[in-house]
Amino acid sequence: GAGVSQSPSNKVTEKGKDVELRCDPISGHTALYWYRQSLGQGLEFLIYFQGNSAPDKSGLPSDRFSAERTGGSVSTLTIQRTQQEDSAVYLCASSATRGDTQYFGPGTRLTVL
Amino acid sequence: QKEVEQDPGPLSVPEGAIVSLNCTYSNSAFQYFMWYRQYSRKGPELLMYTYSSGNKEDGRFTAQVDKSSKYISLFIRDSQPSDSATYLCAPRDNYGQNFVFGPGTRLSVLP
Repeated sequence: GAGVSQSPSNKVTEKGKDVELRCDPISGHTALYWYRQSLGQGLEFLIYFQGNSAPDKSGLPSDRFSAERTGGSVSTLTIQRTQQEDSAVYLCASSATRGDTQYFGPGTRLTVL
Repeated sequence: QKEVEQDPGPLSVPEGAIVSLNCTYSNSAFQYFMWYRQYSRKGPELLMYTYSSGNKEDGRFTAQVDKSSKYISLFIRDSQPSDSATYLCAPRDNYGQNFVFGPGTRLSVLP
């Protein structure tokens, strides 16, 4: 079946603009994760959704970052007033439930000029 | 102390070499130990996992866990240029409530 998809694959924006990144998880997966990966760095956890429960937002670096998951499926990560330090690859992953194997999308490469 | 540590590399080896990738962790609650492989400009993909201590073999890959020393290893036999990637260890507890990804080791296998 189809894997996790993310769009856009690349996004170039100007400092101060808002951006929206989209993730389509594997159908039926109840858990969805967002990570950030800076050049040469490991995965930085951002936010986690599990079914209809309140999301775990403990990894969001600032209040400029927010995410939602509509209907338990598609998720959107929004970054407001982007800064140059937000430049990174944003990865989305889904799993059947929390703790199961995570399947990653190809990521969105964000560049803030 | 970071929860999971890996030598970032890069590690360069000639084709055919045996590769040893290592990871240390601090949380004794971790019971499952995953290895993910990430090719350049791609998302990580699960390579293999082990439960508790011991060895697990899958083709040219062997995962080894020593819980007494909190040390995890991934061995690659007869390494190939296609093995060139970043390898991330990712331990978690029994219930999946606590999991973390290591920073990864970048491997380059030279033809």
